[in-house]
Amino acid sequence: AQSVTQLDSQVPVFEEAPVELRCNYSSSVSVYLFWYVQYPNQGLQLLLKYLSGSTLVESINGFEAEFNKSQTSFHLRKPSVHISDTAEYFCAVRGSNYKLTFGKGTLLTVNP
Amino acid sequence: EAGVAQSPRYKIIEKRQSVAFWCNPISGHATLYWYQQILGQGPKLLIQFQNNGVVDDSQLPKDRFSAERLKGVDSTLKIQPAKLEDSAVYLCASSAVGNLYNEQFFGPGTRLTVL
Repeated sequence: AQSVTQLDSQVPVFEEAPVELRCNYSSSVSVYLFWYVQYPNQGLQLLLKYLSGSTLVESINGFEAEFNKSQTSFHLRKPSVHISDTAEYFCAVRGSNYKLTFGKGTLLTVNP
Repeated sequence: EAGVAQSPRYKIIEKRQSVAFWCNPISGHATLYWYQQILGQGPKLLIQFQNNGVVDDSQLPKDRFSAERLKGVDSTLKIQPAKLEDSAVYLCASSAVGNLYNEQFFGPGTRLTVL
């Protein structure tokens, strides 16, 4: 069985500041890792994913995440956030049974 | 390409009433998922269909929840009778067959409030 822990339920930051949203997972098998973003009153959108290969993955809007197998982590980072990045972010892990397990989410609030 | 469609977007009912939600996945997607997202928690898978067959319904409260996907396209999720703890957002998602990485595309959700 797999599980996901998102260590921060809320992260407030100022615009143009860097941010890190933390995610730790547990799984007994090889994993695929995902970050989804949910804007207010919308469904989840895939932000980025780690499948294999390079441990650093990037999204088109400046987010990046690094897979760290020894620390079982997949933290999400952005060097400079915008107001429009305000949303809830979910880390998810997919094991060999194709089932996605989500964390509880981190609400990122970017203030002017 | 049209996304996953869900209706209604919002629903308010009294406890012990029944309610149904509808989902139309992305065209050609054989796999369809229903998730329950309670406030402050991540989505929890209720049921997964492959075409019109059930792949996983281990977390579906079968005494009150039911779901069907009769023609392998759109799907309905029903709750009868509803309880206060069923208040949540119900998300539908779909993915393509052969997508080994399980990239799921989500609809906007139906927000259910049980009074």
